[in-house]
Amino acid sequence: GAVVSQHPSRVICKSGTSVKIECRSLDFQATTMFWYRQFPKQSLMLMATSNEGSKATYEQGVEKDKFLINHASLTLSTLTVTSAHPEDSSFYICSALFGLAGWNEQFFGPGTRLTVL
Amino acid sequence: AQTVTQSQPEMSVQEAETVTLSCTYDTSESNYYLFWYKQPPSRQMILVIRQEAYKQQNATENRFSVNFQKAAKSFSLKISDSQLGDTAMYFCAFMKPYTGANSKLTFGKGITLSVRP
Repeated sequence: GAVVSQHPSRVICKSGTSVKIECRSLDFQATTMFWYRQFPKQSLMLMATSNEGSKATYEQGVEKDKFLINHASLTLSTLTVTSAHPEDSSFYICSALFGLAGWNEQFFGPGTRLTVL
Repeated sequence: AQTVTQSQPEMSVQEAETVTLSCTYDTSESNYYLFWYKQPPSRQMILVIRQEAYKQQNATENRFSVNFQKAAKSFSLKISDSQLGDTAMYFCAFMKPYTGANSKLTFGKGITLSVRP
């Protein structure tokens, strides 16, 4: 299947700092990418839909000013956690949507573990 | 809105035996996609199998097969000849046909499967 990379895989930061996570689609151009958050032993929670060249669409309850999403190219979306706090510690996963008539699939990145001290 | 229900939080199976994971969903759509994803301890999301709702034939992928009952809105996953590497969380997921940014995945809560040696 297609490859989606995420960087960094792990990050530890101090409370109050900002952290940027990159998501790259390596095999195809993705006009749509998704950002998820996952707590241990729980399901993936969709945070936002990232659209190339336009503003991201955030799910209800997700603070758009705290979780800034930029989809500047067809292969790169970034998630910036601004003024991070310990409650933002989590596992963040991105996916890239491959879609053609009659076939669509999301390809997932390996995830980023964020720890805020 | 779509919902996906996985009511069993955990299951255990002996190596080489067969196990079935349950999933039900609710939608008013007539055409859609259903997926089973595997998330091993590495936390990389891996697509196990997919089913298009308009296809009556149940999908199979080697040791993995589904029992898709559209009228009952049921989509169970059968794993035959279970292997230690099958130990993971399994998520059932729903997606509407490709409509670009609206092709979100709706996930169930997941089930933790343990394969015993």
